[in-house]
Amino acid sequence: AQKITQTQPGMFVQEKEAVTLDCTYDTSDPSYGLFWYKQPSSGEMIFLIYQGSYDQQNATEGRYSLNFQKARKSANLVISASQLGDSAMYFCAMREVANQAGTALIFGKGTTLSVSS
Amino acid sequence: DVKVTQSSRYLVKRTGEKVFLECVQDMDHENMFWYRQDPGLGLRLIYFSYDVKMKEKGDIPEGYSVSREKKERFSLILESASTNQTSMYLCASSPPWTGDALDGYEQYFGPGTRLTVT
Repeated sequence: AQKITQTQPGMFVQEKEAVTLDCTYDTSDPSYGLFWYKQPSSGEMIFLIYQGSYDQQNATEGRYSLNFQKARKSANLVISASQLGDSAMYFCAMREVANQAGTALIFGKGTTLSVSS
Repeated sequence: DVKVTQSSRYLVKRTGEKVFLECVQDMDHENMFWYRQDPGLGLRLIYFSYDVKMKEKGDIPEGYSVSREKKERFSLILESASTNQTSMYLCASSPPWTGDALDGYEQYFGPGTRLTVT
């Protein structure tokens, strides 16, 4: 069963607009962590934001915020005031205690974001 | 800054060749990982290592092996490369796991190696 689902293969937004990238996850473990990474066309993976399953407040990092809805098992990334440099692929990922790989992350398939001027 | 380097950005090999992908990190991290990234499939874990000479299989270990003789270096080996191993390979490292999934530390990734097997 897919653990991390990103249903939007591609998203398009204009500069200065806000955009939400969807992510739903599946776990029966009460303790887990959720991550978002950005991958520009150059290929490197850049860590953006983290949310722990017991965090009461949504995580924020500059223009990035994570809309965490635990009951819905969703962890959407919100980018405010999009910039051309935000054009990239975005991956949602999860770490859970029950993960056989221990510390490894489980990644979604990614969403390609295109920002136009 | 944490730095994870990979020996090659681009690599072209022939079917049946033995291929070594090298990864080095300079932050004294215990954990190192190899992922494979394919369009439409995201990143999939091949192997990881939580200490020198220790390794664990990930989700897709078939056709691969790994070596970790030194803490800073983690090698991915394709014993006999095949065309279905054409992919982007990403190495990552992270501090040791405390056993708490809520640890917010991220994995630090290298720039990736795009391998083509012909």
